[in-house]
Amino acid sequence: DVKVTQSSRYLVKRTGEKVFLECVQDMDHENMFWYRQDPGLGLRLIYFSYDVKMKEKGDIPEGYSVSREKKERFSLILESASTNQTSMYLCASSCSGCSNTGELFFGEGSRLTVL
Amino acid sequence: GNSVTQMEGPVTLSEEAFLTINCTYTATGYPSLFWYVQYPGEGLQLLLKATKADDKGSNKGFEATYRKETTSFHLEKGSVQVSDSAVYFCALTGGGNKLTFGTGTQLKVEL
Repeated sequence: DVKVTQSSRYLVKRTGEKVFLECVQDMDHENMFWYRQDPGLGLRLIYFSYDVKMKEKGDIPEGYSVSREKKERFSLILESASTNQTSMYLCASSCSGCSNTGELFFGEGSRLTVL
Repeated sequence: GNSVTQMEGPVTLSEEAFLTINCTYTATGYPSLFWYVQYPGEGLQLLLKATKADDKGSNKGFEATYRKETTSFHLEKGSVQVSDSAVYFCALTGGGNKLTFGTGTQLKVEL
């Protein structure tokens, strides 16, 4: 069964802390994505990557960075967490050039609270 | 740019009622359209999709038809169950692999 695994389901951090959210997929997908989900705003794309060591800004990249050193792993980094980054973070992956183009496979989410 | 507009929720229905969740979109070119569902405590999963005009996507009793003339992709189900309670997201991709999502519509089905 295909799987996207996010390392932490719930995190509580303090303002100014550096936060790492890890995501691993076992489907050999080229594309990986980080979204944040907020009530009334839906899903907003933070960063994405179409290949190892490649990254592209999404719609709301400010305050975030990412790392993709290996194909299966895509990390989201909050360099200095702020309270407005309290949110649910969703990682997703997809296959390039596949017949099911556009189908994203999501992890269960990481709920981050910044105090 | 691309955008998706969904009806606001929550939508509360009795079991066996008919469901419609409206979705309209703005996009250049010919996007593919999707409905994703998020059950409580879980990530999103694909419910159905349509890749060209007049296509009908269907799955688990849900249907949606790609209407280019009205730029719509409304989700319907003839008889909802309590287990259908979830948040439903309409989305589109205009090429490549990035999806643009709507804000989501929460559905609550009561006995």
